[in-house]
Amino acid sequence: LAKTTQPISMDSYEGQEVNITCSHNNIATNDYITWYQQFPSQGPRFIIQGYKTKVTNEVASLFIPADRKSSTLSLPRVSLSDTAVYYCLVEGGSNYQLIWGAGTKLIIKP
Amino acid sequence: GAVVSQHPSWVICKSGTSVKIECRSLDFQATTMFWYRQFPKQSLMLMATSNEGSKATYEQGVEKDKFLINHASLTLSTLTVTSAHPEDSSFYICSARPERGRGQETQYFGPGTRLLVL
Repeated sequence: LAKTTQPISMDSYEGQEVNITCSHNNIATNDYITWYQQFPSQGPRFIIQGYKTKVTNEVASLFIPADRKSSTLSLPRVSLSDTAVYYCLVEGGSNYQLIWGAGTKLIIKP
Repeated sequence: GAVVSQHPSWVICKSGTSVKIECRSLDFQATTMFWYRQFPKQSLMLMATSNEGSKATYEQGVEKDKFLINHASLTLSTLTVTSAHPEDSSFYICSARPERGRGQETQYFGPGTRLLVL
């Protein structure tokens, strides 16, 4: 059964690039990797999704190596408002399983 | 696009009463909706998966008779917490996944409902 592991917390500073890595050693062939952002007392917000290689949108990039056993969410030039919990999700397969990571609390300092 | 609403946003009730939470996909049709529970400073815990027109699939350890889920249409799912007790106090979040088109569709979350049982 797939399991996702991500760091419990990270600190960084405004203007820096932040990379959060999630490991999913047992990811299945049909699984996708999705990242969400959650602020306190709010529902998670979709950031980015990918299957392999690199995906980029207006807010983030997602890097997935060839073996797909990990993925890295990259947030360019973070600001204080990026302080939140970031979740890695492995989803898909024939039964549409959902394997959530425990979340990474990212704190951005001025 | 892909907006999901929940109602109410918070509710306080007495122990023993039942509480209904609505989840609506506002600008898309959702064949599948999910219900989560989240305790303070913890990750999301999937409670059940519901598909329109069929019975919900509950995760291990979740009592189906206590957490009644109805997914009567492609835009509405409801979660009823029956005979609520203080230990049911939590943050309940729904999500909806659009009908599958090309490629993978992810789920979009509602804003959550804070339940406090006294």
